[in-house]
Amino acid sequence: GESVGLHLPTLSVQEGDNSIINCAYSNSASDYFIWYKQESGKGPQFIIDIRSNMDKRQGQRVTVLLNKTVKHLSLQIAATQPGDSAVYFCAENKGGANNLFFGTGTRLTVIP
Amino acid sequence: KAGVTQTPRYLIKTRGQQVTLSCSPISGHRSVSWYQQTPGQGLQFLFEYFSETQRNKGNFPGRFSGRQFSNSRSEMNVSTLELGDSALYLCASSISSGLAGGVQETQYFGPGTRLLVL
Repeated sequence: GESVGLHLPTLSVQEGDNSIINCAYSNSASDYFIWYKQESGKGPQFIIDIRSNMDKRQGQRVTVLLNKTVKHLSLQIAATQPGDSAVYFCAENKGGANNLFFGTGTRLTVIP
Repeated sequence: KAGVTQTPRYLIKTRGQQVTLSCSPISGHRSVSWYQQTPGQGLQFLFEYFSETQRNKGNFPGRFSGRQFSNSRSEMNVSTLELGDSALYLCASSISSGLAGGVQETQYFGPGTRLLVL
């Protein structure tokens, strides 16, 4: 079936280190992938997206890598800060409709 | 530009009651999607409205319904509430629906309405 899953439910990193959050997807037809950050008591906040015709996209301190061969998506956060502590979700979209399929989320904890 | 707003933020209901939640999208956004978030099931798509029409529907029972008004504001309704309906209900808006060959637009989420069913 179709699924978007995460390799690890929790991740702890030292402040200043780089973080890598991984995500696996199973539907080859997915053409749009997004990373969201959700802090306690808030809705998901858009971080970065990537379309299936790209392998890499960079934002401010974040990079998303897409490996379509193994259906793997990752989010890299450079110089992780305490404010980066949150749950991170990957989501995929198929066919252009606004029905995102979300992964289960990874809780990132930044240790000062 | 103001973000997506949802009202109310918190709600307590009892089983069997019905509830209506409201969402105001970002100005200029015409697509509104609703999601349910629970610890057990995560974030699940409920439905999407674009130009007052339901474009997409997730795998939820008919007790869950919605509508969109001409100003793009949207409401969702849950009838005959069950304990399992306790969740955070999130609304997301985007400029367009991305259908018919259109480019997928980023969805921006509101803070959600936390519903507790007793």
